[in-house]
Amino acid sequence: QVQLQESGPGLVKPSETLSVTCVVSGGYIGSFYWSWIRQPPGKGLEWIGHIYYSGNTNYNPSLKSRVTISADTSRNQISLQLRSVTAADTAVYYCARSSVDTTFDDWGQGTLVIVSS
Amino acid sequence: QSALTQPRSVAGSPGQSVTISCTGTSIDVGGYSYVSWYQQHPGKAPKRMIYDVSKRPSGVPDRFSGSKSGNTASLTISGLRAEDEGDYYCCSYAGSYSHILFGGGTKLTVL
Repeated sequence: QVQLQESGPGLVKPSETLSVTCVVSGGYIGSFYWSWIRQPPGKGLEWIGHIYYSGNTNYNPSLKSRVTISADTSRNQISLQLRSVTAADTAVYYCARSSVDTTFDDWGQGTLVIVSS
Repeated sequence: QSALTQPRSVAGSPGQSVTISCTGTSIDVGGYSYVSWYQQHPGKAPKRMIYDVSKRPSGVPDRFSGSKSGNTASLTISGLRAEDEGDYYCCSYAGSYSHILFGGGTKLTVL
Protein backbone atom coordinates (compact mmCIF):
# COMPACT_ATOMS: atom_id res chain seq x y z
CA GLN A 1 0.00 0.00 0.00
CA VAL A 2 1.54 3.29 -1.08
CA GLN A 3 1.88 6.00 1.54
CA LEU A 4 2.24 9.70 0.85
CA GLN A 5 3.68 11.94 3.56
CA GLU A 6 3.75 15.69 3.13
CA SER A 7 6.04 17.97 5.09
CA GLY A 8 6.44 21.72 5.13
CA PRO A 9 7.71 24.71 7.09
CA GLY A 10 4.47 25.35 8.99
CA LEU A 11 4.91 29.13 8.79
CA VAL A 12 6.02 31.28 5.85
CA LYS A 13 6.33 35.06 5.70
CA PRO A 14 4.41 37.07 3.08
CA SER A 15 6.29 37.56 -0.22
CA GLU A 16 8.52 34.54 0.47
CA THR A 17 8.48 31.12 -1.20
CA LEU A 18 6.47 28.23 0.21
CA SER A 19 8.14 24.83 -0.24
CA VAL A 20 6.48 21.51 0.63
CA THR A 21 7.59 17.96 -0.05
CA CYS A 22 5.74 14.67 -0.47
CA VAL A 23 7.73 11.52 0.32
CA VAL A 24 6.34 8.39 -1.30
CA SER A 25 6.84 5.03 0.39
CA GLY A 26 5.60 1.56 -0.50
CA GLY A 27 5.77 2.32 -4.20
CA TYR A 28 7.82 4.00 -6.90
CA ILE A 29 6.81 7.37 -8.30
CA GLY A 30 7.22 6.11 -11.83
CA SER A 31 4.20 5.69 -14.15
CA PHE A 32 1.93 7.93 -12.09
CA TYR A 33 0.68 11.50 -12.01
CA TRP A 34 1.46 13.40 -8.81
CA SER A 35 -0.74 16.34 -7.92
CA TRP A 36 -0.76 19.08 -5.34
CA ILE A 37 -4.15 20.17 -4.04
CA ARG A 38 -4.78 22.73 -1.32
CA GLN A 39 -7.59 23.55 1.09
CA PRO A 40 -7.76 26.86 2.97
CA PRO A 41 -9.10 26.46 6.51
CA GLY A 42 -12.85 25.90 6.42
CA LYS A 43 -12.97 26.10 2.62
CA GLY A 44 -13.00 23.84 -0.41
CA LEU A 45 -10.38 22.07 -2.48
CA GLU A 46 -8.27 23.71 -5.19
CA TRP A 47 -6.10 21.84 -7.67
CA ILE A 48 -2.65 23.43 -7.93
CA GLY A 49 -1.06 21.25 -10.59
CA HIS A 50 0.54 17.93 -11.36
CA ILE A 51 3.68 16.31 -12.66
CA TYR A 52 3.98 13.07 -14.56
CA TYR A 53 6.96 10.97 -13.55
CA SER A 54 8.56 11.78 -16.91
CA GLY A 55 8.68 15.42 -15.89
CA ASN A 56 5.71 16.84 -17.83
CA THR A 57 3.71 19.34 -15.78
CA ASN A 58 0.32 21.07 -15.87
CA TYR A 59 -0.68 23.92 -13.58
CA ASN A 60 -3.86 25.69 -12.51
CA PRO A 61 -3.95 28.81 -14.74
CA SER A 62 -4.68 31.01 -11.72
CA LEU A 63 -1.45 29.90 -10.00
CA LYS A 64 0.75 29.05 -12.96
CA SER A 65 2.97 32.13 -12.74
CA ARG A 66 3.98 31.33 -9.15
CA VAL A 67 4.14 27.51 -9.07
CA THR A 68 6.79 24.90 -9.76
CA ILE A 69 6.23 21.18 -9.20
CA SER A 70 9.19 18.84 -9.46
CA ALA A 71 9.96 15.16 -8.95
CA ASP A 72 13.11 13.54 -7.55
CA THR A 73 13.08 9.90 -8.60
CA SER A 74 16.25 9.12 -6.62
CA ARG A 75 14.54 10.22 -3.40
CA ASN A 76 11.05 9.08 -4.49
CA GLN A 77 9.58 12.44 -3.62
CA ILE A 78 7.56 15.25 -5.14
CA SER A 79 8.01 18.93 -4.33
CA LEU A 80 5.94 22.09 -4.61
CA GLN A 81 7.24 25.64 -4.65
CA LEU A 82 4.82 28.58 -4.50
CA ARG A 83 6.44 31.98 -4.83
CA SER A 84 5.41 35.43 -3.57
CA VAL A 85 2.90 34.06 -1.07
CA THR A 86 0.18 36.05 0.67
CA ALA A 87 -2.25 35.23 3.47
CA ALA A 88 -4.59 33.81 0.80
CA ASP A 89 -2.11 30.96 0.32
CA THR A 90 -2.65 29.74 3.88
CA ALA A 91 -3.97 26.20 3.48
CA VAL A 92 -3.52 22.50 4.04
CA TYR A 93 -1.44 21.26 1.12
CA TYR A 94 -2.14 17.69 -0.03
CA CYS A 95 -0.24 15.53 -2.47
CA ALA A 96 -2.18 12.91 -4.41
CA ARG A 97 -1.34 10.05 -6.74
CA SER A 98 -3.22 9.25 -9.92
CA SER A 99 -2.89 6.59 -12.57
CA VAL A 100 -4.57 9.00 -15.00
CA ASP A 101 -4.72 12.79 -14.92
CA THR A 102 -8.47 13.05 -14.42
CA THR A 103 -8.93 11.75 -10.87
CA PHE A 104 -7.01 11.30 -7.61
CA ASP A 105 -6.53 7.73 -6.40
CA ASP A 106 -4.61 8.19 -3.16
CA TRP A 107 -4.01 11.19 -0.91
CA GLY A 108 -1.52 12.12 1.75
CA GLN A 109 -2.64 13.45 5.12
CA GLY A 110 -1.72 17.02 4.20
CA THR A 111 0.47 19.66 5.78
CA LEU A 112 -0.76 23.02 7.05
CA VAL A 113 1.16 26.06 5.91
CA ILE A 114 0.30 29.44 7.40
CA VAL A 115 1.40 32.63 5.70
CA SER A 116 1.94 35.33 8.29
CA SER A 117 4.53 37.83 9.38
CA GLN B 1 -12.60 29.31 -14.50
CA SER B 2 -15.25 29.11 -11.76
CA ALA B 3 -15.60 26.17 -9.44
CA LEU B 4 -18.36 23.68 -10.04
CA THR B 5 -21.63 24.41 -8.20
CA GLN B 6 -22.79 22.18 -5.36
CA PRO B 7 -25.48 22.71 -2.72
CA ARG B 8 -23.92 23.87 0.52
CA SER B 9 -25.70 21.23 2.57
CA VAL B 10 -27.99 18.22 2.37
CA ALA B 11 -29.47 16.07 5.10
CA GLY B 12 -31.16 12.73 5.49
CA SER B 13 -32.16 10.18 8.09
CA PRO B 14 -30.50 6.81 8.52
CA GLY B 15 -31.67 4.39 5.87
CA GLN B 16 -32.84 7.11 3.51
CA SER B 17 -31.27 8.19 0.22
CA VAL B 18 -29.75 11.57 -0.59
CA THR B 19 -28.49 13.03 -3.84
CA ILE B 20 -25.83 15.71 -4.18
CA SER B 21 -25.68 17.64 -7.43
CA CYS B 22 -22.68 19.16 -9.15
CA THR B 23 -23.35 21.63 -11.94
CA GLY B 24 -20.74 22.76 -14.41
CA THR B 25 -20.68 23.70 -18.07
CA SER B 26 -20.24 22.06 -21.44
CA ILE B 27 -16.47 22.48 -21.21
CA ASP B 28 -16.09 20.55 -17.97
CA VAL B 29 -18.82 18.30 -16.53
CA GLY B 30 -20.80 18.22 -19.76
CA GLY B 31 -17.83 17.76 -22.03
CA TYR B 32 -16.15 14.73 -20.50
CA SER B 33 -16.95 11.54 -18.60
CA TYR B 34 -14.36 12.38 -15.98
CA VAL B 35 -16.32 13.38 -12.89
CA SER B 36 -15.14 12.09 -9.54
CA TRP B 37 -16.47 12.46 -6.00
CA TYR B 38 -14.54 12.70 -2.74
CA GLN B 39 -15.67 12.24 0.85
CA GLN B 40 -13.89 14.18 3.59
CA HIS B 41 -14.31 13.76 7.32
CA PRO B 42 -13.19 16.57 9.66
CA GLY B 43 -9.42 16.81 9.91
CA LYS B 44 -8.90 14.01 7.41
CA ALA B 45 -7.75 13.78 3.83
CA PRO B 46 -10.35 13.38 1.08
CA LYS B 47 -11.17 9.84 -0.04
CA ARG B 48 -12.26 9.01 -3.56
CA MET B 49 -15.75 7.45 -3.71
CA ILE B 50 -16.58 7.65 -7.43
CA TYR B 51 -14.53 8.23 -10.58
CA ASP B 52 -15.30 8.43 -14.31
CA VAL B 53 -18.88 9.53 -13.42
CA SER B 54 -20.09 6.19 -12.06
CA LYS B 55 -17.21 3.84 -11.26
CA ARG B 56 -16.56 2.76 -7.68
CA PRO B 57 -13.02 2.12 -6.44
CA SER B 58 -12.42 -1.16 -4.67
CA GLY B 59 -13.71 -1.04 -1.10
CA VAL B 60 -16.33 1.67 -1.61
CA PRO B 61 -19.81 0.38 -0.71
CA ASP B 62 -22.32 0.00 -3.53
CA ARG B 63 -24.58 2.37 -1.57
CA PHE B 64 -22.61 5.10 -3.35
CA SER B 65 -23.47 5.70 -6.99
CA GLY B 66 -22.78 8.39 -9.54
CA SER B 67 -24.47 9.63 -12.68
CA LYS B 68 -24.44 12.52 -15.10
CA SER B 69 -26.98 14.30 -17.27
CA GLY B 70 -25.84 17.15 -19.46
CA ASN B 71 -23.80 19.61 -17.40
CA THR B 72 -24.89 18.19 -14.03
CA ALA B 73 -23.38 15.24 -12.22
CA SER B 74 -24.93 13.60 -9.18
CA LEU B 75 -23.80 11.48 -6.27
CA THR B 76 -26.48 9.35 -4.64
CA ILE B 77 -25.99 7.70 -1.27
CA SER B 78 -28.62 5.11 -0.42
CA GLY B 79 -29.20 3.44 2.94
CA LEU B 80 -27.66 6.39 4.77
CA ARG B 81 -25.44 5.55 7.72
CA ALA B 82 -24.04 7.77 10.44
CA GLU B 83 -20.50 7.32 9.09
CA ASP B 84 -21.55 8.87 5.77
CA GLU B 85 -21.74 12.27 7.46
CA GLY B 86 -19.07 14.62 6.17
CA ASP B 87 -18.18 16.89 3.28
CA TYR B 88 -18.44 15.77 -0.33
CA TYR B 89 -16.63 17.35 -3.24
CA CYS B 90 -17.16 16.80 -6.93
CA CYS B 91 -14.31 17.18 -9.38
CA SER B 92 -14.23 17.32 -13.16
CA TYR B 93 -11.65 17.33 -15.90
CA ALA B 94 -11.98 20.66 -17.73
CA GLY B 95 -9.77 20.33 -20.76
CA SER B 96 -6.11 20.97 -21.38
CA TYR B 97 -6.20 24.62 -20.19
CA SER B 98 -7.95 24.51 -16.81
CA HIS B 99 -7.44 20.80 -16.43
CA ILE B 100 -9.13 20.09 -13.07
CA LEU B 101 -12.00 21.88 -11.30
CA PHE B 102 -13.50 21.12 -7.90
CA GLY B 103 -16.96 21.91 -6.60
CA GLY B 104 -17.34 24.07 -3.53
CA GLY B 105 -18.31 21.10 -1.37
CA THR B 106 -21.53 19.85 0.22
CA LYS B 107 -21.94 19.10 3.91
CA LEU B 108 -23.97 15.95 4.45
CA THR B 109 -25.73 15.65 7.79
CA VAL B 110 -27.22 12.35 8.89
CA LEU B 111 -30.11 13.28 11.18
